[in-house]
Amino acid sequence: EAGVAQSPRYKIIEKRQSVAFWCNPISGHATLYWYQQILGQGPKLLIQFQNNGVVDDSQLPKDRFSAERLKGVDSTLKIQPAKLEDSAVYLCASSFLAGKLNEQFFGPGTRLTVL
Amino acid sequence: LAKTTQPISMDSYEGQEVNITCSHNNIATNDYITWYQQFPSQGPRFIIQGYKTKVTNEVASLFIPADRKSSTLSLPRVSLSDTAVYYCLVEVSNAGKSTFGDGTTLTVKP
Repeated sequence: EAGVAQSPRYKIIEKRQSVAFWCNPISGHATLYWYQQILGQGPKLLIQFQNNGVVDDSQLPKDRFSAERLKGVDSTLKIQPAKLEDSAVYLCASSFLAGKLNEQFFGPGTRLTVL
Repeated sequence: LAKTTQPISMDSYEGQEVNITCSHNNIATNDYITWYQQFPSQGPRFIIQGYKTKVTNEVASLFIPADRKSSTLSLPRVSLSDTAVYYCLVEVSNAGKSTFGDGTTLTVKP
């Protein structure tokens, strides 16, 4: 079974530039998550989709971050404009169901460096 | 969401059993406890999930006392390849909402 795919794997940009990340979840998984993981910390949930609807985006900095899930499958996360503190690994995860027995499958992540 | 507290780091030796305890004092009735493992430059990987008492799979056991205010991940006979960060999560049933803490860095020595 193919895992969660993410691209790019690495991205270096200057502050105030824009960047976008792409995620393709495991086929059939209804729930998709985007996490931000700063070095030395645990993953922080940015947004959670159930199919193409948003379940939780309470920690998404909406003035600069946006995300969408096209047709309930692929998803993109955008940062515009980027700040130095956005340097982190952005992880995408998917799960078949939300809640009980909710095993999340993570992609390899995109490492973003903002200069 | 219930906040979780874990030790920052633990050391062990190959072949030993390792127990990592997580505190979650504000866990709600419908919440589940899940543990993930993360290696450097990789996304977290699911280890085990439970609601109460004991759950065991091929890699670990999860012990949850009756009050559910804590849980213990038990790794039998660890090897060098078990060196990783281990995260305890409390997840809301039927919602999937969860919060990762900062995890426990386990270092297994030869």
